[in-house]
Amino acid sequence: QPVLTQSSSASASLGSSVNLTCTLSSGRTRSIIAWHQQQPGKAPRYLMKLEGSGSYNKVSGVPDRFSGSSSGADRYLTISNLQSEDEADYYCEIWDRNTQVFGGGTKLTVL
Amino acid sequence: EVQLVESGGGLVQPGRSLRLSCTGSGFTFGDYAMSWVRQAPGKGLEWVGLIRSKAYGGTTEFAASVKGRFTISRDDSKSIAYLQMNSLKTEDTAVYYCTRDGLVWSTYYYMDVWGKGTTVTVSS
Repeated sequence: QPVLTQSSSASASLGSSVNLTCTLSSGRTRSIIAWHQQQPGKAPRYLMKLEGSGSYNKVSGVPDRFSGSSSGADRYLTISNLQSEDEADYYCEIWDRNTQVFGGGTKLTVL
Repeated sequence: EVQLVESGGGLVQPGRSLRLSCTGSGFTFGDYAMSWVRQAPGKGLEWVGLIRSKAYGGTTEFAASVKGRFTISRDDSKSIAYLQMNSLKTEDTAVYYCTRDGLVWSTYYYMDVWGKGTTVTVSS
């Protein structure tokens, strides 16, 4: 069972909202994760860290449209009022047993 | 401005070695753990390894795929982290990124700054 599971793709319309999910495998529900965005042809960019309580801290410069939340083993990245520049790959990341692990990434398409 | 700049990538033959550098600026380099992450063409992100800050022993951790072949070191006086890659294989071909790692509750590392990456191609 992978440590982190993400859907491979998601799509939503311009101006709408989307929830991207990262599911932690058992025994890790208290862990902190980070969300990263990778726009096409660019390096990844750190967006926020997210606790199991749902508390999140965004890095300066990330629009207010981006937020995080948690429910059990699931960690969510919600993007509201989708813009064309939000079309990107989104990865969750966790520090687990002295290694860092990435989810497989979700490719978000803005229609 | 906090910044990380990787260098040292290039074309190398299988079995040879290569050393990448990551130069940090805009923050106290020695206070942070540093990681290397790679991305093969068309693939997702893969963590390579981490070096802790001296305050946490300066020790290293590696992914199973590179353990025994890659090492990480740091020179805090120069704000540089190094990734030494030995016995390179074609499957090591990737863009290599350096990251700064934040630490929460003295337990959880997370990557909070990324460099732009340097490309390594392993081919004969």
